[in-house]
Amino acid sequence: DVKVTQSSRYLVKRTGEKVFLECVQDMDHENMFWYRQDPGLGLRLIYFSYDVKMKEKGDIPEGYSVSREKKERFSLILESASTNQTSMYLCASRGAGTKYEQYFGPGTRLTVT
Amino acid sequence: GESVGLHLPTLSVQEGDNSIINCAYSNSASDYFIWYKQESGKGPQFIIDIRSNMDKRQGQRVTVLLNKTVKHLSLQIAATQPGDSAVYFCAEILRFSGGYNKLIFGAGTRLAVHP
Repeated sequence: DVKVTQSSRYLVKRTGEKVFLECVQDMDHENMFWYRQDPGLGLRLIYFSYDVKMKEKGDIPEGYSVSREKKERFSLILESASTNQTSMYLCASRGAGTKYEQYFGPGTRLTVT
Repeated sequence: GESVGLHLPTLSVQEGDNSIINCAYSNSASDYFIWYKQESGKGPQFIIDIRSNMDKRQGQRVTVLLNKTVKHLSLQIAATQPGDSAVYFCAEILRFSGGYNKLIFGAGTRLAVHP
């Protein structure tokens, strides 16, 4: 089974702090994704990566950056956390080819105070 | 997560009944669709997918129906069980020039199963 793990389940940070959210997958997937999930808004794509050192902006990249130095790891960075970034953050991965199913991690609930 | 179910449409069913969850999609060119299930405190989990060259696909206790004419997708769960209680999302594929693609998720429907 594919396993996607995220570094923290719950995180509390202060406004202005730099925040790192880590995601690791163990299936040698090429594609990795970061979403945020807010009540009533579904999942919104922040950034994705289709290869090591490659990244593409999603629908809501403002205030975020990403890093993919190794194939199995995709990091989401909040350079200066703000209260409107309080959310559930979900990482996902997908293999190459025509099977578009994404496998999700358990999520990180981030609270910025 | 725990608050995902807030502000979502809710479908309440009795244990043992069949459930039908509906989804309208936006892009008439979408050719691939997925249903996900998200239990409280967990990430979304794949249930079933369907390509646009099919109208129906069956899995274990679940059936997905696709009506391309009205851009509508439904998930049918037979003999609903308490463990089916979750938020259900549909997703459609959006393709870009350059070969990459992304999934567009619906807002979700909360399924509440009562004994």
